[in-house]
Amino acid sequence: QLVLTQSPSASASLGASVKLTCTLSSGHRSYAIAWHQQQPEKGPRFLMKLNSDGSHTKGDGIPDRFSGSSSGAERYLTISSLQSDDEADYYCQTWGSGVMFGGGTKLTVL
Amino acid sequence: QVQLQQWGAGLLKPSETLSLTCAVYGGSFSGYNWNWIRQPPGKGLEWIGEINQSGIINYNPSLKSRVTISVDTSKDQFSLRLRSVTAADTAVYYCARQNWFDFWGQGTLVTVSS
Repeated sequence: QLVLTQSPSASASLGASVKLTCTLSSGHRSYAIAWHQQQPEKGPRFLMKLNSDGSHTKGDGIPDRFSGSSSGAERYLTISSLQSDDEADYYCQTWGSGVMFGGGTKLTVL
Repeated sequence: QVQLQQWGAGLLKPSETLSLTCAVYGGSFSGYNWNWIRQPPGKGLEWIGEINQSGIINYNPSLKSRVTISVDTSKDQFSLRLRSVTAADTAVYYCARQNWFDFWGQGTLVTVSS
């Protein structure tokens, strides 16, 4: 069964970097995923499509501070030079055997 | 720039039918998959279903018995109908493009209450 696992919360300081993780369930490590950001009281925004080899395609206007990488069943979103408006929920999502979302990670910028 | 604009009734009574439409502007309609997603208050995202570029419709198995997605290619629009709604269907509903949701609609809050 296709499942995406995310830590419920993460925190990092203003100006620092943070790496969020999305883990694909066993047997699905070749799947591409997408990362989406949802700021408080707003709709989701597409950040990037991330392939199993770490190559990624970002959405329109997504700054270079956002990058993606992959290792095995893990998919990562790294945000550098954290800003206050990076405080948001971050969801990973995949497709192929239906469409599945991870539970989301709530990022707090300290 | 691709824009998805959605609309529909925001307040329903239990047992009524939810109906939403999403229009696509600024880009091609054909050749893409079109999706509906929802988010209950304070909770995560749930995929409802899609109509793909071949015209094949796929639904989340948990909602399949109550959902219909349709398309009007002459207007670059697609629609969602969810029958027999209950309070558990209260959510913000979004439309989105492609399997990786590269463009989203603005969202429509649908509240089910007697």
